Parts: sequence; structure tokens; C-alpha cells
Amino acid sequence: NAGVTQTPKFQVLKTGQSMTLQCAQDMNHNSMYWYRQDPGMGLRLIYYSASEGTTDKGEVPNGYNVSRLNKREFSLRLESAAPSQTSVYFCASSEAPGHQETQYFGPGTRLLVL
Amino acid sequence: GENVEQHPSTLSVQEGDSAVIKCTYSDSASNYFPWYKQELGKGPQLIIDIRSNVGEKKDQRIAVTLNKTAKHFSLHITETQPEDSAVYFCAASKNSGNTPLVFGKGTRLSVIA
Repeated sequence: NAGVTQTPKFQVLKTGQSMTLQCAQDMNHNSMYWYRQDPGMGLRLIYYSASEGTTDKGEVPNGYNVSRLNKREFSLRLESAAPSQTSVYFCASSEAPGHQETQYFGPGTRLLVL
Repeated sequence: GENVEQHPSTLSVQEGDSAVIKCTYSDSASNYFPWYKQELGKGPQLIIDIRSNVGEKKDQRIAVTLNKTAKHFSLHITETQPEDSAVYFCAASKNSGNTPLVFGKGTRLSVIA
């Protein structure tokens, strides 16, 4: 099993450009999450999907949209990138809904917005 | 909402010594406290968790203690090894609706051989 995979690994954008970060898991997990990690800030939840067909906002959802394409895939879209969105983005999944289950993280996407 | 404070932000220990990382939380309703380890260039990985119905949990060289009254919990690593060098995150959540995990800001542990 590959676990949680993320593409791309690294991306540079100009302010105002759009892009979609892709995430897929092969563990048949129900729930998926998107976090951002900034220096000295820990991990902050952007959006999550408790199950296929549902999405909910996390702590820092502004400027982002998500799509739970199917049970395996959960994408994060930046419609108009801003320098404040420079960060490392992690996707995670868990077997069951709820935030008290073990979360399995992908390797991350490093995004630089100029 | 929940606020999780984590100390210290950096910690250096000699190989074989113990390391302790402490976290405090603000919401007395929180009842789940995981610890994640993040190695350089990788995503975080759960290493141990504790629920509020117990005060301590051990897994080999790693232990976590919870003091509900004081609202703090700690990670203890004994007999540290170079491969323990990483960033460690504590987190807290409550089993109420869709309340997500709130993470601390992390502790960078360096084990010096």
C-alpha cells in the first residue's frame, strides 16, 4: 500500500494564479483532511471530509475550496493564490469519521507563492 | 475554542538521556490527546495517544501522562537515540460533533550522539 499520496511535491505560483493540490489514499478510509503547516504555527486544519460526499470547514478555510471526488481522492484548490498561502500542505486520512481517530499523513506539498 | 500550548520549542539531549515535552490545553471538555512525530521532509506520524479515562500510557520507550485537573499532558522518551530526532506535536480534541484536532506548535528534539 502506498498510503496517502500527494501531488505535486513542490510548486511555485505567481500571485493570482490558481492550482489544485491532489491527494489520494488506498487504505479505504472514510475521512480525509487538508492541513497547512507554517513555521512556528504547527498544523492548522483547512477543510475536512468526514465521508464521501461531505465536506466541512476547518480553522483556516478562507481562500480555499475542496472536492471529495470519490472515497479515495480529496483535492484542495486555490482559486487566486496569495503570498500568505505560501506553506506546506498536508493531506491526511482516517478510517472512521471524527477527529479522535488515528490520522495518516501524506508527504506534503511545498507551495511558494510569489 | 481550544488552545494548545507546547513547550519547549526546541530541546537538545545527549543520547541515552530522557526527553520530556509538555502541553497544556484550555478546554476542559477535551478528552483525546495524541502525539505525532514528524521527521525531516515527511508527514507527521502518530506515535502514541491517550484518552481522558486513563492517566498514563506506555509503549516501549515512550510514555504519555495526563493531568486532567491541571489540563496538561506530557510526552516522555527514555533512553533517547539519534533516530528520535524529529519535531513532535501534541494535539487535543473533544468528542463533540465535528470538533477537529487542535495542534500545538511543535518541539524540535535533537538527540546528540
